[in-house]
Amino acid sequence: ETGVTQTPRHLVMGMTNKKSLKCEQHLGHNAMYWYKQSAKKPLELMFVYNFKEQTENNSVPSRFSPECPNSSHLFLHLHTLQPEDSALYLCASSQPGQPYGYTFGSGTRLTVV
Amino acid sequence: GQQLNQSPQSMFIQEGEDVSMNCTSSSIFNTWLWYKQDPGEGPVLLIALYKAGELTSNGRLTAQFGITRKDSFLNISASIPSDVGIYFCAGYGGATNKLIFGTGTLLAVQP
Repeated sequence: ETGVTQTPRHLVMGMTNKKSLKCEQHLGHNAMYWYKQSAKKPLELMFVYNFKEQTENNSVPSRFSPECPNSSHLFLHLHTLQPEDSALYLCASSQPGQPYGYTFGSGTRLTVV
Repeated sequence: GQQLNQSPQSMFIQEGEDVSMNCTSSSIFNTWLWYKQDPGEGPVLLIALYKAGELTSNGRLTAQFGITRKDSFLNISASIPSDVGIYFCAGYGGATNKLIFGTGTLLAVQP
């Protein structure tokens, strides 16, 4: 248990489904991140939130919609995904500007069929 | 954009052997980090390096921040089966002030 909890751990969804990934941390961090990890590719930063405000969107398609209602919770809403979106989605948190403090969750393994 | 080239991509070794992997960049970084990812889990921070030339150890792990600030290496001595996993380097700072991850090194240890 790292202090960052992601649910669900595994998700299989059809291309017409709508689902949400959840991330929760109680480490007192004020920055939260979504990463995508595909096979044989570097970790790809998707979104950054600092103090609940989105500060970075790395050209992520609109079928991925993040939500950060408070500094402890982060969601990733998914709709009309494509098979190539299948990947491990990792959430992380830190204090803003402190890269050594990134704490990752265990990830959600997403399969789009 | 900034990229980190990590090598080797994979290593298959016998228990007890020493391991070395490195990371290079075309840009300079202010901080180098090394993470390990166990199967089915997220990355966990192993070592953080903040100054050029810095050499830091964490048990059997030793990492160095290159003098040019464009590279770093990680050594694991006397490997054991639980060292299995994917090791990622990450650099922070430089032109984008972001945390950039390398492609990872898959380590397999034969008992």
